[in-house]
Amino acid sequence: SQTIHQWPATLVQPVGSPLSLECTVEGTSNPNLYWYRQAAGRGLQLLFYSVGIGQISSEVPQNLSASRPQDRQFILSSKKLLLSDSGFYLCAWTDRASGRSYEQYFGPGTRLTVT
Amino acid sequence: SQKIEQNSEALNIQEGKTATLTCNYTNYSPAYLQWYRQDPGRGPVFLLLIRENEKEKRKERLKVTFDTTLKQSLFHITASQPADSATYLCALEATTDSWGKFQFGAGTQVVVTP
Repeated sequence: SQTIHQWPATLVQPVGSPLSLECTVEGTSNPNLYWYRQAAGRGLQLLFYSVGIGQISSEVPQNLSASRPQDRQFILSSKKLLLSDSGFYLCAWTDRASGRSYEQYFGPGTRLTVT
Repeated sequence: SQKIEQNSEALNIQEGKTATLTCNYTNYSPAYLQWYRQDPGRGPVFLLLIRENEKEKRKERLKVTFDTTLKQSLFHITASQPADSATYLCALEATTDSWGKFQFGAGTQVVVTP
């Protein structure tokens, strides 16, 4: 069966510090991968998506970046965090082999607090 | 621009009753609409998908309708239970691209009291 991992689960970082969040998927190959951010009481904001290794599309201009160094690994980074980067970060994947159903499977999330 | 609206007010409902949630959208012609459940501090969990040519979809106590003329989906939880308390999100396919990109509503919180 497929599993998606995210770490760390929680993170407290000062403004201006770097960030690296990692997401890995097991039990599938060539998935579409997504990074979302959810502010308190808000919906999910799509940040980045990837259809393959090294292929990243950005949805929202910001100080964040994403990379996909391996087929089932997706990394979210920042060189200098802002207070507005605080939120709940979720990684998700879809199985393109399932056709157009595109059920999204989410990881457990990372709670980031920038102080 | 594309917009998705869900009732931001929490829905308080008594156990055993039917909860009905609304998802309205504008400037969209989505081929698919999904509903997810999210518990506090957790990632969303997929519940149901309905296609534009389907009027209704059921799964156990859940029922979803999709009216492309009204640009609206209704999500029903019948015989609600306290365990159904959660936030429910609707998601629409943002484009007709083949790889599947969805935009989410802000969600509606459901509170089922015994």
